[in-house]
Amino acid sequence: EPEVTQTPSHQVTQMGQEVILRCVPISNHLYFYWYRQILGQKVEFLVSFYNNEISEKSEIFDDQFSVERPDGSNFTLKIRSTKLEDSAMYFCASSGTEVYEQYFGPGTRLTVT
Amino acid sequence: ELKVEQNPLFLSMQEGKNYTIYCNYSTTSDRLYWYRQDPGKSLESLFVLLSNGAVKQEGRLMASLDTKARLSTLHITAAVHDLSATYFCAVVNFGNEKLTFGTGTRLTIIP
Repeated sequence: EPEVTQTPSHQVTQMGQEVILRCVPISNHLYFYWYRQILGQKVEFLVSFYNNEISEKSEIFDDQFSVERPDGSNFTLKIRSTKLEDSAMYFCASSGTEVYEQYFGPGTRLTVT
Repeated sequence: ELKVEQNPLFLSMQEGKNYTIYCNYSTTSDRLYWYRQDPGKSLESLFVLLSNGAVKQEGRLMASLDTKARLSTLHITAAVHDLSATYFCAVVNFGNEKLTFGTGTRLTIIP
């Protein structure tokens, strides 16, 4: 069964460093999303991406964040200058033409020290 | 702004008992999702509810949606230990595909 994959599974970085989180959505899907979950809290929407552009973003998704689909398969989330409060699990999701269901990847645990 | 609330936040129940988790949301929506999350893991889709009155069942779990009351329920029948997890409901805003998640219900089944 097709699935969303994410790399790395765990990333440790120092405050102020740039990180890139990578996702490979399900191959025929058209809509892509990033969510984050701070430990013990609910899942929060960051950004949605369709047709090579951002379709919606939340207040969390400020100028420090960017997304890109550099080729036909990868979908990346970049944080330019990480802060301690960026420590969280980051989930990528994708959905197909019927957009009824978003399929989530296994997540990347980001730890900022 | 769409708000989604779940209750209870924590639920500890004995094996074999029945219980219901509630999900309320603040603005009109026609799609509601239930996800399960095990500790340190991703979100597993349980149910997608697309219309008023929708009811779906899988094993010991049954979900329903009342769009007029802006309420969904997840009912657990004769709980077993492997249902222990955190359960999230999520609602889609009209006009976009952003999921707004509830606070989650941490369910612990005690033998």
